Amino acid sequence: GEEVAQTPKHLVRGEGQKAKLYCAPIKGHSYVFWYQQVLKNEFKFLISFQNENVFDETGMPKERFSAKCLPNSPCSLEIQATKLEDSAVYFCASSRYGELFFGEGSRLTVL
Amino acid sequence: QQQVKQSPQSLIVQKGGISIINCAYENTAFDYFPWYQQFPGKGPALLIAIRPDVSEKKEGRFTISFNKSAKQFSLHIMDSQPGDSATYFCAASKEAGANNLFFGTGTRLTVIP
Repeated sequence: GEEVAQTPKHLVRGEGQKAKLYCAPIKGHSYVFWYQQVLKNEFKFLISFQNENVFDETGMPKERFSAKCLPNSPCSLEIQATKLEDSAVYFCASSRYGELFFGEGSRLTVL
Repeated sequence: QQQVKQSPQSLIVQKGGISIINCAYENTAFDYFPWYQQFPGKGPALLIAIRPDVSEKKEGRFTISFNKSAKQFSLHIMDSQPGDSATYFCAASKEAGANNLFFGTGTRLTVIP
């Protein structure tokens, strides 16, 4: 597609539940990025992929967060045992080389 | 540690005025400096970007000024319009598109009619 598609738009989870978010990058883009935007608007980088390989995972809280980008499937970001502080908007972005194109985000609310 | 510092946090400008947002960075390895515009409920969208081999880039009403020695760059919005009211983020990275963007903390711009 010509835009980064993220699903779901909204997700509500109780503390301790699992949350899984999906991202379909723009066709032909080889890089995929996940960012977390918290209430104060700050963007926190989580992880990036080059095709299906992890490129940079320096921002990932590894104990509860995991991500995958498998061939012919949307990329996914999974949070095991969600905590209140995981409430945020999660953005996916893709690029071929140069500009990052962002999706509209998935808003996760942990109650 | 904030890799890119942005100011002001918020800005109110009259219609037709000039909006100026400033950013500073520390990492001299950064070679790509984009500005993103974000409307409520939407993802950030690229507005304009610059590389350190030029000191200024203009696209329509939007201009980036870049000072490599001071490690600063700024966004100027000329003839600001109410439709420009949004949050603006500066960012920086090495090797655009491959490496992660480090974002500033955002400036909420309000243009008053």
